[in-house]
Amino acid sequence: KAGVTQTPRYLIKTRGQQVTLSCSPISGHRSVSWYQQTPGQGLQFLFEYFSETQRNKGNFPGRFSGRQFSNSRSEMNVSTLELGDSALYLCASSSQGVENTEAFFGQGTRLTVV
Amino acid sequence: AQSVTQLGSHVSVSEGALVLLRCNYSSSVPPYLFWYVQYPNQGLQLLLKYTTGATLVKGINGFEAEFKKSETSFHLTKPSAHMSDAAEYFCAVSGSGTYKYIFGTGTRLKVLA
Repeated sequence: KAGVTQTPRYLIKTRGQQVTLSCSPISGHRSVSWYQQTPGQGLQFLFEYFSETQRNKGNFPGRFSGRQFSNSRSEMNVSTLELGDSALYLCASSSQGVENTEAFFGQGTRLTVV
Repeated sequence: AQSVTQLGSHVSVSEGALVLLRCNYSSSVPPYLFWYVQYPNQGLQLLLKYTTGATLVKGINGFEAEFKKSETSFHLTKPSAHMSDAAEYFCAVSGSGTYKYIFGTGTRLKVLA
């Protein structure tokens, strides 16, 4: 069974540009969540989607947005990039069961803003 | 509100020695607790989880953790460290029905030969 796939793995963008990151969850998983990881702030929750609906949102500015498609694939977009957006962006997918199960993480997209 | 505190951002142990990584949580609802490991330039891999039931949880690679509600702790242990255990370890908490995890700041484990 293929794991969570994030593309691209590495990305370099210029301040002011926008970027779209993609996440393909494990087959059959309907929940996708996104996290930002930086040395200063650690791992911070961005959003959670289930069946194309945003279920939770973290404390990030409106420049950060996301969506989920009918096949459960998800994208996140960051507009008007700032230097501080440089981070490892991690996507995780989960199955929706009666009992809370763990999130399976992708390898991440390393975004560098210059 | 939920929060996680990991004591010690860096821990060094000798190969073969006991590994103890500390995690304390705060949660207004029954918590679900997780330990993840991260190797350089990689994503997070689940070591073990506590949801309900037995409070001593066994995970992969010989790791285990005990949920102690009275102490609001979920410390990670391994009897004998191996060089391959060198990595960063994250404790996380969530509530039922959500995959919004609150992570601790992480503990970098160094294993000395």
